[in-house]
Amino acid sequence: GESVGLHLPTLSVQEGDNSIINCAYSNSASDYFIWYKQESGKGPQFIIDIRSNMDKRQGQRVTVLLNKTVKHLSLQIAATQPGDSAVYFCAEKDTDKLIFGTGTRLQVFP
Amino acid sequence: NAGVTQTPKFRILKIGQSMTLQCTQDMNHNYMYWYRQDPGMGLKLIYYSVGAGITDKGEVPNGYNVSRSTTEDFPLRLELAAPSQTSVYFCASSSLDFPPNEQFFGPGTRLTVL
Repeated sequence: GESVGLHLPTLSVQEGDNSIINCAYSNSASDYFIWYKQESGKGPQFIIDIRSNMDKRQGQRVTVLLNKTVKHLSLQIAATQPGDSAVYFCAEKDTDKLIFGTGTRLQVFP
Repeated sequence: NAGVTQTPKFRILKIGQSMTLQCTQDMNHNYMYWYRQDPGMGLKLIYYSVGAGITDKGEVPNGYNVSRSTTEDFPLRLELAAPSQTSVYFCASSSLDFPPNEQFFGPGTRLTVL
């Protein structure tokens, strides 16, 4: 079946550096993707989304890149801060539902 | 707006007991979802609803039941609790008017079955 997965379960970065979180998807027909951030003890929170007719979308300190050729999605966080420490999930739209990846834990150290 | 609210926040059940996890949203969203999240894992869809009176199974529906009598409420029922149902349960909602399927999540219910 279709699946969404992440390459790295844990990513450690130094405060101030840029972070890149990767995601692979297998459904080439998917037309919409979302990145969520989940802080400890809380529900997932929307970060940024991208449609399949786009290659790149920027938000505040975050950028999502979509490479449809290799079915790869990435989330870039600029100037990573301690408050960015969380688990990040990519999600892929499947008709009325979202399919979530396993998640990547981002750890920010001073 | 309160967004998506869930009750209770924590619950401990004995094997075989039953309970209902409550979920309410005040955003007039058509779509509502129930997920479970096991430790260190991602979200698995249990059930979802595209509107009042309509429910559909997700990836892991066994052992659960849902109903959707109103737009606002989407309760999740566990009839015979089992240790395998120990998890954190998240309810979410979304609207057809939003960018497709941006889902708003509640704070979660942490359930332990002993």
